[in-house]
Amino acid sequence: AQSVTQLGSHVSVSEGALVLLRCNYSSSVPPYLFWYVQYPNQGLQLLLKYTSAATLVKGINGFEAEFKKSETSFHLTKPSAHMSDAAEYFCAVSDGNFNKFYFGSGTKLNVKP
Amino acid sequence: SQTIHQWPATLVQPVGSPLSLECTVEGTSNPNLYWYRQAAGRGLQLLFYSVGIGQISSEVPQNLSASRPQDRQFILSSKKLLLSDSGFYLCAWTTGNSGNTIYFGEGSWLTVV
Repeated sequence: AQSVTQLGSHVSVSEGALVLLRCNYSSSVPPYLFWYVQYPNQGLQLLLKYTSAATLVKGINGFEAEFKKSETSFHLTKPSAHMSDAAEYFCAVSDGNFNKFYFGSGTKLNVKP
Repeated sequence: SQTIHQWPATLVQPVGSPLSLECTVEGTSNPNLYWYRQAAGRGLQLLFYSVGIGQISSEVPQNLSASRPQDRQFILSSKKLLLSDSGFYLCAWTTGNSGNTIYFGEGSWLTVV
């Protein structure tokens, strides 16, 4: 069975500071992992995905994530936060049949000026 | 390119009234289709998914039902709404292939009063 745990429902950083959003997964098969961003009252947009190629995945808006099998983690990072990064971020894992996607509970990122 | 449309965007319904949310996908054929619910502070809950016309899988026993009358149409329904049905409902689709990405509609806010 697949599941995702996001540590920290709220993260606050200063503008220009490092962003680190944590995601740990559980999967009985080699996982496909995703990060999505949701702005208020909108649907989810794909930031990046891991599909067993490079372990360091680069996404849009300067975000990247590293797949670490030994730690079952897929943390999202950005070197320098921007005010426009304030949103809710979701980590997700796809099941082995690629029919179902399981999402974490989300992390709301606040960026302080 | 593929697009997904979901309506209505906002809905206020009294307890005990029926519900119909519709979702259509354009630019692809035979997609996997999904309904998720996002309650405040609780992340995304998979409600239903469908891999083909008339094929519906329910993830969580509840007061809702789903139907797929056409290849690219997915409908979420209820005969009698409960207060607990309030939330943000998201339709989504994938190609069902290995390493696929799930794409979301803009969502529908349902408030049951």
